[in-house]
Amino acid sequence: DGGITQSPKYLFRKEGQNVTLSCEQNLNHDAMYWYRQDPGQGLRLIYYSQIVNDFQKGDIAEGYSVSREKKESFPLTVTSAQKNPTAFYLCASSIDLRILNEQFFGPGTRLTVL
Amino acid sequence: AQKVTQAQTEISVVEKEDVTLDCVYETRDTTYYLFWYKQPPSGELVFLIRRNSFDEQNEISGRYSWNFQKSTSSFNFTITASQVVDSAVYFCALSAYTSGGSYIPTFGRGTSLIVHP
Repeated sequence: DGGITQSPKYLFRKEGQNVTLSCEQNLNHDAMYWYRQDPGQGLRLIYYSQIVNDFQKGDIAEGYSVSREKKESFPLTVTSAQKNPTAFYLCASSIDLRILNEQFFGPGTRLTVL
Repeated sequence: AQKVTQAQTEISVVEKEDVTLDCVYETRDTTYYLFWYKQPPSGELVFLIRRNSFDEQNEISGRYSWNFQKSTSSFNFTITASQVVDSAVYFCALSAYTSGGSYIPTFGRGTSLIVHP
């Protein structure tokens, strides 16, 4: 079955700790994205990537970092610099950023910082 | 700049009622796509439909229908005879060309639909 997996589903961390959220896809998509969802805020773009070793900042990149060492994987690190990290994080992919097409989403990771 | 407005934050209906979710968009591009996604309580967004800017035909899929009107920059979604399983957050999104040479979607804030039995 093709799709996007995110792990873990729930994550708890102490304030001041960095934490890495996993995202893997087997759809052979070039483009991958990270979104943050807060109640009533919709989806806000954190980072996106079209190819390996290349990624771009989205609207709210401060306090986050990503890597794209493999086409299938796009992990997101929430650093201690992120002021309010508690949120629901969604990873998505699409065929290619340069063409119009829909996105496919993972099940999300709910991060709670205590 | 692109913008998507879903003015309805939450809609509550009783099963079997029809309900329309509104979506208004802004873009200066002539080529773009509009999308609707459903987010059930499990959290994963599910793609429902896409419509390109050159196709204003309405679409019907079972109990779902979409009305695209360029004249009013709207792409509304109607659920006929709603069911409890339709309870979810629904997102409208717009994808148009950016100066960086890519199509990055812009999402509305979502409309939470609650269908009571």
